[in-house]
Amino acid sequence: AQTVTQSQPEMSVQEAETVTLSCTYDTSENNYYLFWYKQPPSRQMILVIRQEAYKQQNATENRFSVNFQKAAKSFSLKISDSQLGDTAMYFCAFMSYTSGTYKYIFGTGTRLKVLA
Amino acid sequence: GAGVSQSPRYKVTKRGQDVTLRCDPISSHATLYWYQQALGQGPEFLTYFNYEAQPDKSGLPSDRFSAERPEGSISTLTIQRTEQRDSAMYRCASSLATVRTYEQYFGPGTRLTVT
Repeated sequence: AQTVTQSQPEMSVQEAETVTLSCTYDTSENNYYLFWYKQPPSRQMILVIRQEAYKQQNATENRFSVNFQKAAKSFSLKISDSQLGDTAMYFCAFMSYTSGTYKYIFGTGTRLKVLA
Repeated sequence: GAGVSQSPRYKVTKRGQDVTLRCDPISSHATLYWYQQALGQGPEFLTYFNYEAQPDKSGLPSDRFSAERPEGSISTLTIQRTEQRDSAMYRCASSLATVRTYEQYFGPGTRLTVT
């Protein structure tokens, strides 16, 4: 069965600094997608970044980038030039879709606080 | 609408009562998902719809849980004979399709409290 592990329940970073959130997963599938979602306090979840497993190049979205290590089943999120608005819960998620069976598995989240 | 909406936002019910939660997805989105999120945890997949078809119900915790999307747009999640362990945030999400794009747009959730 697929699992997603986020080993850092809470992290903090100074404004303008860089922080890396870790995520590991376990799967026997070869085709899948990985995501990082952000959930600000009392707000809804929004997608931060997406990585297709078949792509070797790491995804980037402005200040957000990932380090995808397929062999190690690792998918970390790097936030550069952290801003106060980055304070949120961050969830790593795994998705696969095979023969009508859909799996979308979230980690337990990392609470990130950006300090002024 | 501009985004995914859910109603009610908060629901308090007594143990043993039935509750129905509603999700209104983004109008162009074919696929709709339901999740249950306990406090301090990540969302757990319950079920999904592709238009009105429900290909996967494997995440529903028991037969007290059911979901419908009869016309391929609005969906409801019904919990019968609620129990205290059903207390959670119930999140709905939608996406354009399950093929090619998997980005999900989440609604604000319904916080269910069973007393």
